[in-house]
Amino acid sequence: DAGVTQSPTHLIKTRGQQVTLRCSPISGHKSVSWYQQVLGQGPQFIFQYYEKEERGRGNFPDRFSARQFPNYSSELNVNALLLGDSALYLCASSLSWADNTGELFFGEGSRLTVL
Amino acid sequence: GQNIDQPTEMTATEGAIVQINCTYQTSGFNGLFWYQQHAGEAPTFLSYNVLDGLEEKGRFSSFLSRSKGYSYLLLKELQMKDSASYLCAVRGLGAGKSTFGDGTTLTVKP
Repeated sequence: DAGVTQSPTHLIKTRGQQVTLRCSPISGHKSVSWYQQVLGQGPQFIFQYYEKEERGRGNFPDRFSARQFPNYSSELNVNALLLGDSALYLCASSLSWADNTGELFFGEGSRLTVL
Repeated sequence: GQNIDQPTEMTATEGAIVQINCTYQTSGFNGLFWYQQHAGEAPTFLSYNVLDGLEEKGRFSSFLSRSKGYSYLLLKELQMKDSASYLCAVRGLGAGKSTFGDGTTLTVKP
């Protein structure tokens, strides 16, 4: 069975550009979350989606947006890129929003470099 | 808000036992995770504690005290492959929303 898949794996952008990152959850998982991980720090929560609805948002500016599609895949968009947006963007899936097993399954991430 | 503290770095010897501590202050608590993350890779799930006490899973054990806002991860019979960052995370409302600490980088030496 395929795990969580993310694309692209690496990308380089310049300041002011826009980027779209994609995530496909594990088959049967309906909840997708996005995290930003800056080098040397732990992942920081950006968004959670369940059944195509936003169920939580972290402390990120409006330049960050996301959506979930009927097949439960998700996209994260970041506009007007800043140097500080350079990070590993992780997608995590879980069975449901109220999943009591607790486990998050992470993808390998999309490493974004902003020049 | 959430505040999670764990040591930045630890070093241990192959075959030994190491305990990684985590303290947290949260406005809401729905469980505590431990994840392992090798350099350049995604975090992988190790354990999830909701109730007080010790959960054992092979060479790894995790302990939780909710009244003290404290958890630890115990790694036994250390192997070189255990060299990684260990992330403590508090689960928020909903399975996907967690607050992570900055991780403890464990180096296992021969």
